[in-house]
Amino acid sequence: KAGVTQTPRYLIKTRGQQVTLSCSPISGHRSVSWYQQTPGQGLQFLFEYFSETQRNKGNFPGRFSGRQFSNSRSEMNVSTLELGDSALYLCASSLDPGEQYFGPGTRLTVT
Amino acid sequence: AQSVTQLGSHVSVSEGALVLLRCNYSSSVPPYLFWYVQYPNQGLQLLLKYTTGATLVKGINGFEAEFKKSETSFHLTKPSAHMSDAAEYFCAVTDTGTASKLTFGTGTRLQVTL
Repeated sequence: KAGVTQTPRYLIKTRGQQVTLSCSPISGHRSVSWYQQTPGQGLQFLFEYFSETQRNKGNFPGRFSGRQFSNSRSEMNVSTLELGDSALYLCASSLDPGEQYFGPGTRLTVT
Repeated sequence: AQSVTQLGSHVSVSEGALVLLRCNYSSSVPPYLFWYVQYPNQGLQLLLKYTTGATLVKGINGFEAEFKKSETSFHLTKPSAHMSDAAEYFCAVTDTGTASKLTFGTGTRLQVTL
C-alpha cells in the first residue's frame, strides 16, 4: 500500500506571497492532519480534517488554512507569507481511530 | 491540556550499548503515548504506541517502552544500539481517542559511536 505523499517536496517563496501544499493520504484513511516543524518551535499541530470537515485546530493565525476533498486528499494554504513560515510541513493520515502515518514533508523556504 | 517533556536534547551511546531516551508526560485524562523516529530529510516513522492494556510496549527495530502511570513516564529503550539507530526521536501524547492531534516533545538526537 502506498504511503502518504506530499507535493511539492521543496518550495521557495517570497515574503507576501501565498503557497498551497498538497497531501495524499494512505488509501482508506479519512483523517488528515498537518504539522509545522521548525528548529525553534519544534513540531506543532496545525489542523486536522476528517470527511471534508475541520475537526481539530491548533494555535496558528488565520493565514494558515486547509481543506479536504471527497477523496480525502488535503491541501493547506498559507497566505501573506512571512520569513517565520519557513519550515518543514508534515502531513499525516490515519484511520479513525488509529495512529498517524507521516509523509516526507514539504520544505518551505520564505525569502 | 497535555504536554510532553523529553530530557536530554542529545544522547550519545556506543554501538552495542543500551539506549535510554526519556519521556515524561502530563495529561488530565488517560493518555495515548507514541514514539516516533525521524531520519534526516524524512518524515516521522512510528516506532511504537501505548493506548490501553499492557504497559510494556514493543515496537519496531528492537525498541520498547514502558508506560508507568505512577511516574508519568514513557521511556524508550533498546538493549543494543546499532549505527543505523542514529536519528532524532520524538515522544508524543494525545488525549483524544482518535489520536489525531499529537503534542510532541522537543526531540532527542541519538548519536551512535563506534
